[in-house]
Amino acid sequence: QSVLAQPPSASGTPGQRITISCSGSSFNIGSHAVNWYQQVPGTAPRLLIYSNNQRPSGVPDRFSGSKSGTSASLAISGLRSEDEADYYCAAWDDSLNGFWVFGGGTKLTVL
Amino acid sequence: QVQLVQSGAEVKKPGASVKVSCEASGNTFTSYFMHWVRQAPGQGLEWMGIINPSGTTTKYAQKFQGRVTMTRKTSTSAVFMELRNLRSEDTAVYYCASQLGYCFGASCYSGDVDQWGQGTQVTVSS
Repeated sequence: QSVLAQPPSASGTPGQRITISCSGSSFNIGSHAVNWYQQVPGTAPRLLIYSNNQRPSGVPDRFSGSKSGTSASLAISGLRSEDEADYYCAAWDDSLNGFWVFGGGTKLTVL
Repeated sequence: QVQLVQSGAEVKKPGASVKVSCEASGNTFTSYFMHWVRQAPGQGLEWMGIINPSGTTTKYAQKFQGRVTMTRKTSTSAVFMELRNLRSEDTAVYYCASQLGYCFGASCYSGDVDQWGQGTQVTVSS
């Protein structure tokens, strides 16, 4: 059980907008920036969002992030088949002398 | 951007140790904090620990305390992760990654420096 809670699965149809939630606490999301990662099975994770809502160069603006209090969300608009992947939120946690923590991951299926 | 190249797949017996290396190209590597993350088959990402640029300070996930050691060799731009007393549950792909995010003392980082190695498969089997 991760300290960052994500729904295990999400789905949508091409063109649709979906959101994935990430719920934490004052030790992590409430105090620190959130990153989001996309992972296609068999490959290394790819950074999608950093500092809650910033996109690295090369990431389409269909991907957006937000944070409020101890929760964060990733939104994907104009869903495409190639978006089918696992998505992870992550943040620093101040408890136990400090550690980086990933959410449990959300498997996105494009129907 | 730093490119990270990891050592090859390993097969180990229970109770043995494994040492995975991660070599970087690019001279900015020497200023980066480096993380190790693993992923068991069909499971999510699990953070193992972090080492500072000089190699003098590490933080390990509580789960791995006493079993893992992270080191770095600045002369060769390499970082290493050794995991001891292996068990079948340690079968996973192990990744090195630069920066990600961290807080060391009063200094915290959040940014787009976020490079990952290709992963190293470690299989623990008798």
